[in-house]
Amino acid sequence: AQSVTQPDIHITVSEGASLELRCNYSYGATPYLFWYVQSPGQGLQLLLKYFSGDTLVQGIKGFEAEFKRSQSSFNLRKPSVHWSDAAEYFCAVGDFGNEKLTFGTGTRLTIIP
Amino acid sequence: NAGVTQTPKFQVLKTGQSMTLQCAQDMNHEYMSWYRQDPGMGLRLIHYSVGAGITDQGEVPNGYNVSRSTTEDFPLRLLSAAPSQTSVYFCASRTGTGGGYEQYFGPGTRLTVT
Repeated sequence: AQSVTQPDIHITVSEGASLELRCNYSYGATPYLFWYVQSPGQGLQLLLKYFSGDTLVQGIKGFEAEFKRSQSSFNLRKPSVHWSDAAEYFCAVGDFGNEKLTFGTGTRLTIIP
Repeated sequence: NAGVTQTPKFQVLKTGQSMTLQCAQDMNHEYMSWYRQDPGMGLRLIHYSVGAGITDQGEVPNGYNVSRSTTEDFPLRLLSAAPSQTSVYFCASRTGTGGGYEQYFGPGTRLTVT
């Protein structure tokens, strides 16, 4: 069964500092991997996705993620965070044979001035 | 395009009451799904549909019914609400072809069962 682990429940970073959010997945085949962001009281918005090809993918709002098959990881990075990046971030792995998108438990990001 | 819309935004039910959460999308997407979000558990799939007239169960289907009579609408029914169904419910849709599997989410319905 597929699963996703986000080991950090809550991360606090200073505005302008770099960011890395961790995501590890378990999946039997080539995974479809996603990062979503959720602002308070809002739905989820797709930041980026990986299906195949280049293992470094670029997303919206200056985010990128790197797929590392050997480590079963898909970590999200941003070189310099802005106060508006404060939100909850979810990593997900997709099995579209049965339309199942499995989410991690999320990482809440707090930005301090 | 309005995208994915959900009504109501908030609802309080008493145990045993029934209700329907509405979801509609105007993007002509074939696939639609319902998720529930609980603290510390991420989102879990309740039911999904791959087209009008076709639905299937997800990870946590008990206590919920769905039907899909049109491409646009995918309502979620709670037949007899229980406190364990207190949650935030999200509807999502995606295209079946060439869409890169991106799911578009609605703004959510916050349900409290007392």
